[in-house]
Amino acid sequence: AQSVSQHNHHVILSEAASLELGCNYSYGGTVNLFWYVQYPGQHLQLLLKYFSGDPLVKGIKGFEAEFIKSKFSFNLRKPSVQWSDTAEYFCAVRAAGNKLTFGGGTRVLVKP
Amino acid sequence: DTAVSQTPKYLVTQMGNDKSIKCEQNLGHDTMYWYKQDSKKFLKIMFSYNNKELIINETVPNRFSPKSPDKAHLNLHINSLELGDSAVYFCASSQDLQPGNTIYFGEGSWLTVV
Repeated sequence: AQSVSQHNHHVILSEAASLELGCNYSYGGTVNLFWYVQYPGQHLQLLLKYFSGDPLVKGIKGFEAEFIKSKFSFNLRKPSVQWSDTAEYFCAVRAAGNKLTFGGGTRVLVKP
Repeated sequence: DTAVSQTPKYLVTQMGNDKSIKCEQNLGHDTMYWYKQDSKKFLKIMFSYNNKELIINETVPNRFSPKSPDKAHLNLHINSLELGDSAVYFCASSQDLQPGNTIYFGEGSWLTVV
């Protein structure tokens, strides 16, 4: 069965700092990888996804993620965060069987 | 226009009651889902339907019964509500069963059982 782990449960940083959120998955076959964001009181929104091709994926709001197959990782990055990036971030994996499996989420707090 | 809409957004009810949450998507998608997010923000799939047929049932108590009258709707009915059912329930949809398709989520239904 596939599983997803996000190593950081909480991250606190100041505006303009760089952000990197770790995500590792366990599944031996072909996977599709996603990062979703949930702003306070809102629903999940897709930030970016990896399907195939270039392992460096660029998403909305200046986010990017790199798929490293050998490390089973799909870390999310943003060079310079803003206060509005305060949210919960979820990594997710979807493989054969269609089930989208989420990591436990990382709560990011950006101090103004 | 909301792509995936669910009602009600907030629901407070007593233990033992039966309640339903409705979901509709106007994206023309074939596949719909219900996810549960607990108090620790952990998200887990409950059900998946494709063209009105049940595809995934993730060890959910049989008090939870999804119903899909058509491709655009997937309602969730919960019998004999328990305290542990308190959570946020998210409806979602995707074009079809292809793993690379983006899953679009509704705004969530906050269920509190007292």
